[in-house]
Parts: sequence; C-alpha cells; structure tokens
Amino acid sequence: TQLLEQSPQFLSIQEGENLTVYCNSSSVFSSLQWYRQEPGEGPVLLVTVVTGGEVKKLKRLTFQFGDARKDSSLHITAAQPGDTGLYLCAGDDSSGSARQLTFGSGTQLTVLP
Amino acid sequence: DAGVTQSPTHLIKTRGQQVTLRCSPISGHKSVSWYQQVLGQGPQFIFQYYEKEERGRGNFPDRFSARQFPNYSSELNVNALLLGDSALYLCASSFYRGTTEAFFGQGTRLTVV
Repeated sequence: TQLLEQSPQFLSIQEGENLTVYCNSSSVFSSLQWYRQEPGEGPVLLVTVVTGGEVKKLKRLTFQFGDARKDSSLHITAAQPGDTGLYLCAGDDSSGSARQLTFGSGTQLTVLP
Repeated sequence: DAGVTQSPTHLIKTRGQQVTLRCSPISGHKSVSWYQQVLGQGPQFIFQYYEKEERGRGNFPDRFSARQFPNYSSELNVNALLLGDSALYLCASSFYRGTTEAFFGQGTRLTVV
C-alpha cells in the first residue's frame, strides 16, 4: 500500500501571508491530485499533475510535482479567508484493476482576517 | 448539471444494525467509487464499480458490500455496525474507469451509537 504524508497537519496564518503545504511519499505515482474540502462537504478537485517537474497555477495557487513523481507541493500566495479549508493530496494508486486514490491525512488551513 | 448526489446526508444507527447508503453519479459517468473518511483523516478507498462490476476493493471487512445498478447509481451496505464505522462516507464518480479524477458528493455522515 502506498502512503502519502502531508505537512504541516495544521496551519493558521494571517490574511495576506504566503504558505506552502507538502505531500511526500516513498512511492512513485502516475499522477497526483489536490483537493480542498470544507466542513460537511466532499472534497473538490483543484488540480491534477502528471509529469515529473510539472508546475500548474490556479490563480494564487501554485502546484508542483516532484521530478521523481514521489512528492508535491501547494503554494498559496497572499492567502485569503476564503482559502480556509482542508487541503488533501491524493495519488493515483492503480496497482490493481481498480483506479483508486490514496489520500494524505490533509492539512487544515485557517486564514484569519 | 447535477453533481454527485448522496442520500441520506446524516444517519444515526445502533451497533449491530445494518445501513444502506445511496449515490447517484454525474450524468454520463460510469464509474463510482466509495471512500470512508474518519474524522481528522483523509478518505480511504473502499470500492470501485465500473459498468456494474466491482473493479477494486480496499482493506475493509466483508461487512462492507456494494453494488452498481444499470443506471450507474450505487449502494453501499454495511452490516453489523461497529462504533468504529462512524465516519463520513463519500461517493465519487468518474467518466470512465481509466481516470482517477474524481468528483465527490457531499457525503453521508454516519454515526453509530
């Protein structure tokens, strides 16, 4: 079973600050996805990265996939209270016949006004 | 367009009882996956169904079962409920089996007392 570790587990910052969330594994993933989840809701897909070294930007969010496809990072510039939520990384773990996602434990981000 | 819909949204059951959770995927999506999310953790893969057949199963006991209907909706059944089964149960739909980009419903919050 492939495992994903996210850090930090909790992050509380002031509006306008920058932050980076990390997602690490000892295993190689064919792709990796980032989701944001708000209380009482299901995770919402933010981005999928596929190629080692790939960088994708979504407004103030920058996602990077490691060269070896074992790790990823999410950088938020000038965080806003609306960015508050649980950020989850998920790796494509399709070792069997199923196409399944292996999730990290998440980073709970709180952006204070 | 309607997203993934799950019912019920909340449920309270007693230990030893049985529960059935329901999911309707996005129109045109043929793959449905079920995940369990315990408080403070990321979702864990339970099942994937594609074209009405089970394509994968996570590390869950036989008390957990599921099925997919001709209209691609799905049910998750859990027998002999334990306190540890209390969790948010998430259904995710994908267009076809070969992708892990998943669109999640809002989940069913199951509490076992």
